[in-house]
Amino acid sequence: DIVMTQTPLSLSVTPGQPASISCKSSQSLLHSDGKTYLYWYLQKPGQSPQLLIYEASSRFSGVPNRFSGSGSGTDYTLKVSRVEAEDVGVYYCMQGLHLPITFGQGTRLEIK
Amino acid sequence: QVQLAESGGGVVRPGGSLRLSCAASGFSFSSYGMHWVRQAPGKGLEWVTFIHSDGSNENYADSVKGRFTISRDNSKKTLYLEMNSVRTEDTAVYYCAFASGWYLGVNGMDVWGQGTTVTVSS
Repeated sequence: DIVMTQTPLSLSVTPGQPASISCKSSQSLLHSDGKTYLYWYLQKPGQSPQLLIYEASSRFSGVPNRFSGSGSGTDYTLKVSRVEAEDVGVYYCMQGLHLPITFGQGTRLEIK
Repeated sequence: QVQLAESGGGVVRPGGSLRLSCAASGFSFSSYGMHWVRQAPGKGLEWVTFIHSDGSNENYADSVKGRFTISRDNSKKTLYLEMNSVRTEDTAVYYCAFASGWYLGVNGMDVWGQGTTVTVSS
């Protein structure tokens, strides 16, 4: 199974400041079709997960442009350029290259 | 609009059985593969199982293989999860989910239900 490792596990950010989350996979997530099957989700308190980023760097429909994803191979990063109060929750990276699908442990973001 | 609604959760004794349902609406259910993902209390997300659009193929996490069975009734637009020989570690919120766009890949779940809670306790 592909192991997904996120750091840090928690973040406390002042509104308007940036935030960055790292995700490392135990093997490359690049498929032979040229796509990278790395996703980022946000689970707000009491809600179901919502998709933020697909293919490592493509912003999903309706996601604010302060969210960006980058990376390749086994190293990926989610950045929030200016954190807002509504961004609180737990962020997960997920690989969809091979079954079983696996998630990172989650990174809890709170507002200072 | 596109919606998934889980039901069937509850309290079950260890070793018992439970069947979860996920009712789909607002999209062509028979065209999409479907997943179950669970979340134990205070824990992260864990993928459980996947079924192809026509029910021809299924995949399971090792933690549930041989105990859980995913199935679907495309005529009823409903996904199921049959849970047998349940254990205390199966206690979780169970979500059904799918990828609504081909560009997301079959595993890029963007539509999720609200979840149904299963508690395994004696």
